[in-house]
Amino acid sequence: QSVLTQPPSVSAAPGQKVTISCSGNTSNIGLHYVSWYQQLPQSAPKLLIYDNLRRPSGIPDRFSGSKSGTSVTLGITGLQSGDEADYYCGTWDINLKSVVFGGGTKLTVL
Amino acid sequence: EVQLVETGGGLIQPGGSLRLSCAASGFTVSSNYMSWVRQAPGKGLEWVSVIYSGGSTYYADSVKGRFTISRDNSKNTLYLQMNSLRAEDTAVYYCATLNGGWFDPWGQGTLVTVSS
Repeated sequence: QSVLTQPPSVSAAPGQKVTISCSGNTSNIGLHYVSWYQQLPQSAPKLLIYDNLRRPSGIPDRFSGSKSGTSVTLGITGLQSGDEADYYCGTWDINLKSVVFGGGTKLTVL
Repeated sequence: EVQLVETGGGLIQPGGSLRLSCAASGFTVSSNYMSWVRQAPGKGLEWVSVIYSGGSTYYADSVKGRFTISRDNSKNTLYLQMNSLRAEDTAVYYCATLNGGWFDPWGQGTLVTVSS
């Protein structure tokens, strides 16, 4: 059971938009910045979003992040087949004194 | 180019020990917060340990007392010494740089299988 809660899977058609939620509490998301990672099949995770909404250089603006209270959301527009991957949110938990991740969301582009 | 390359994984019997290495290039390990994150087969990401630039170390409860993170500044390499290994330690182990509150970059990972 992960500390941060993500939906196990989401799907949408090419060109459409999808959102992935990540829910926590006041000891983690409510206090700290959140990052998002994309893990393509058989690959290492890759940073997608940091500080809730910032994109590293090289990440297209089709990817966006937002935060409200103790939840964050990853948005992906203009879906492409290459976006099929597992997506993870992560942050620090002040009570657990540990980095915590969501359980991951598998994105399927129909 | 900034790069992390992990080595040292393999098949080990329960109760055994293994040391993972993570060689860095393009930046200095000792000037950064460096971390290990693992992923059990078919499962999500689990943070394992971090070493701060000042040398302080922290561990997940699941590995505390069994795993030790360290670095060799002369070799610009991060290590994870894993003792008293259990079946539930079976995972791909990634090293990553902890920048602010996020992990970037990541290595390609090394698989550790604990089985008799």
